Amino acid sequence: RKEVEQDPGPFNVPEGATVAFNCTYSNSASQSFFWYRQDCRKEPKLLMSVYSSGNEDGRFTAQLNRASQYISLLIRDSKLSDSATYLCVVNPNGGSQGNLIFGKGTKLSVKP
Amino acid sequence: EPEVTQTPSHQVTQMGQEVILRCVPISNHLYFYWYRQILGQKVEFLVSFYNNEISEKSEIFDDQFSVERPDGSNFTLKIRSTKLEDSAMYFCASIVEGGFRGYTFGSGTRLTVV
Repeated sequence: RKEVEQDPGPFNVPEGATVAFNCTYSNSASQSFFWYRQDCRKEPKLLMSVYSSGNEDGRFTAQLNRASQYISLLIRDSKLSDSATYLCVVNPNGGSQGNLIFGKGTKLSVKP
Repeated sequence: EPEVTQTPSHQVTQMGQEVILRCVPISNHLYFYWYRQILGQKVEFLVSFYNNEISEKSEIFDDQFSVERPDGSNFTLKIRSTKLEDSAMYFCASIVEGGFRGYTFGSGTRLTVV
């Protein structure tokens, strides 16, 4: 079983649409969860951490369901600049020493 | 905002040659990492480094790979005898000790082995 699994997409949506990405992880002891964004041939950039109670940052909302080992990211009012690959990332260890486990990513393309 | 710097941005090398990828982590950070991403594939952990020694490494990080922090500033990844399958983007990252908030990657080195 893959450690972090995501729908690869691509998701092709019009500007202004709401889009949701899902992710599942296999290690139930995982401690920290993140969404990263990666533009083509660039480094991954931290979009947001994911907290158990759910958290929001502007148009972005992240949810975590530990019982189902499921993470989601909702993007509202999508912009052209949101076009990128969204990476679900899990730290299985916690603490300061975190080697991250990455999903393969979900590609989003926002069209005018 | 402080950033992690990597050089070179792109390196082409012949199979069997040694390469050294360089990273300058953020100055007060204590944990350092190398990851790689083969084109079209997911980002994969290679190695973590703390207190001048390897703290964890993946199966990918075999005897062909080594890391060091030669001068307290640079953090290097050496591949002794490159193979075609070593072609990838290599990303460096660093974090400060005390709580894990998700770390910042350098812009990467694209290694092409021919």
